[in-house]
Amino acid sequence: QVQLVQSGAEVKKPGASVKVSCKTSGYTFTSYGIGWVRQAPGQGLEWMGWISTYNGNTNHAQNLQGRVTMTTDTSTRTAYMELRSLRSDDTAVYYCARLGSYYDHWGQGTLVTVSS
Amino acid sequence: EIVLTQSPATLSLSPGEKATLSCRASQSISNYLAWYQQKPGQAPRLLIYDTSNRATGIPARFSGSGSGTDFTLTISSLEPEDFAVYYCQQRSNWPHTFGGGTKVEIK
Repeated sequence: QVQLVQSGAEVKKPGASVKVSCKTSGYTFTSYGIGWVRQAPGQGLEWMGWISTYNGNTNHAQNLQGRVTMTTDTSTRTAYMELRSLRSDDTAVYYCARLGSYYDHWGQGTLVTVSS
Repeated sequence: EIVLTQSPATLSLSPGEKATLSCRASQSISNYLAWYQQKPGQAPRLLIYDTSNRATGIPARFSGSGSGTDFTLTISSLEPEDFAVYYCQQRSNWPHTFGGGTKVEIK
C-alpha cells in the first residue's frame, strides 16, 4: 500500500534551519509529485510548494520564496523540505503528500516548533 | 493567487441530518476542485476530486457539485465519524490554494 513516512518532531531556535524528510513506498516514486503543506496550531492548511520527482521542477508559495528548498532522492524514494531563517510563526505541523492530480496520500505530519 | 472562501465557518448539526458546505473561488477554476476531511491529530484525507468524483473508499453519502466559482460538498446523512473539518483546494493555477475550512460539529 502507498505510504509516506515523515521524520520526527523538531525544536529549533529562531534563525535556524530545519529539514523534514518524507520516505515513500508502495508506488512508482517518479510517477507522482510531492507537495508540502503546513498547518499552524489551530489554523487551516497552507500550501507550501510542490516538486516533480521526475525532473526536480518546483513551485513554491510566494511568501516562502528564498527560504524553502524542496529536493528528492530517487534512490531512496525520499523527498525533503528545508526551511531556513525560521521564525516563531513557522511553528506548525508540516505534511508531505503525494500529488497525482490531487493530494491523495499524506504523511503523518512533522511538528516543527520554533522557540527561543 | 486564487482565493477560496468557505462558508459557513462552523456548521452545527445532529447525526442523520444533511450537511451542505460551500466553497467559492475568486476566479473560475473550471472543475479543478477537491475536498478534504481532517480529524483532530490526523492528516487530511482526500474525499472528492475534480468537483464530483469520490476518492477511493469514500462512502456514497459524500457528494460534490458545482463549476466555475461556486462549489458544494454535501453529506446526505451525517454519521458520527463525519464530524470534522472540511477543506476545499484548487489545482487550476499555482499556488494550489486551500480554503479556510468548515468545521462540522455535533449540535
